[in-house]
Amino acid sequence: DAGVTQSPTHLIKTRGQQVTLRCSPKSGHDTVSWYQQALGQGPQFIFQYYEEEERQRGNFPDRFSGHQFPNYSSELNVNALLLGDSALYLCASSYVGGRNTEAFFGQGTRLTVV
Amino acid sequence: GQQVMQIPQYQHVQEGEDFTTYCNSSTTLSNIQWYKQRPGGHPVFLIQLVKSGEVKKQKRLTFQFGEAKKNSSLHITATQTTDVGTYFCAGLNSGYALNFGKGTSLLVTP
Repeated sequence: DAGVTQSPTHLIKTRGQQVTLRCSPKSGHDTVSWYQQALGQGPQFIFQYYEEEERQRGNFPDRFSGHQFPNYSSELNVNALLLGDSALYLCASSYVGGRNTEAFFGQGTRLTVV
Repeated sequence: GQQVMQIPQYQHVQEGEDFTTYCNSSTTLSNIQWYKQRPGGHPVFLIQLVKSGEVKKQKRLTFQFGEAKKNSSLHITATQTTDVGTYFCAGLNSGYALNFGKGTSLLVTP
């Protein structure tokens, strides 16, 4: 049983560019959350998708957007990249809406903006 | 908004010593979860606490949830080198977002 898979694992982009990160949730999970983890910090909630809708959003600008597909996989898009967007981007999946259930994290995508 | 604070930020112990990390929330939590992240790895779920005053044990690890559901602790008895990593608490209030603390990084020297 595959866990949460993310692609790519590493990415280098230039300031101002756009990036798309992908996540496949653990089998049986219907909810996907995205987190940004800066070096030495805890993960920061970006948003959560359930039933193909953004259900809750953290304190991130509109440059961060996402999508969930009918097969529950998800994408995170970041436009107009800034140097400060360099971080580990983590996808977490959970079951039945995501409350009171553990979150399974993927290995993350390490994004470097130069 | 809700803030989750964790102390200490770092802890260096000799193998066999005990270790405790504390977590405090500015608001009452619906539940609190604990995660461990090894260097270069991703957060891995350890446990979830839901009830006021709840205490759960996993072998050498003891987790507590405060009576007011605003604080929690993780205690490791007789640390081992395999315990090395960063321990995060993550609080859930009325929404769906897990609010993570900054974590406590544990280093265990043989």
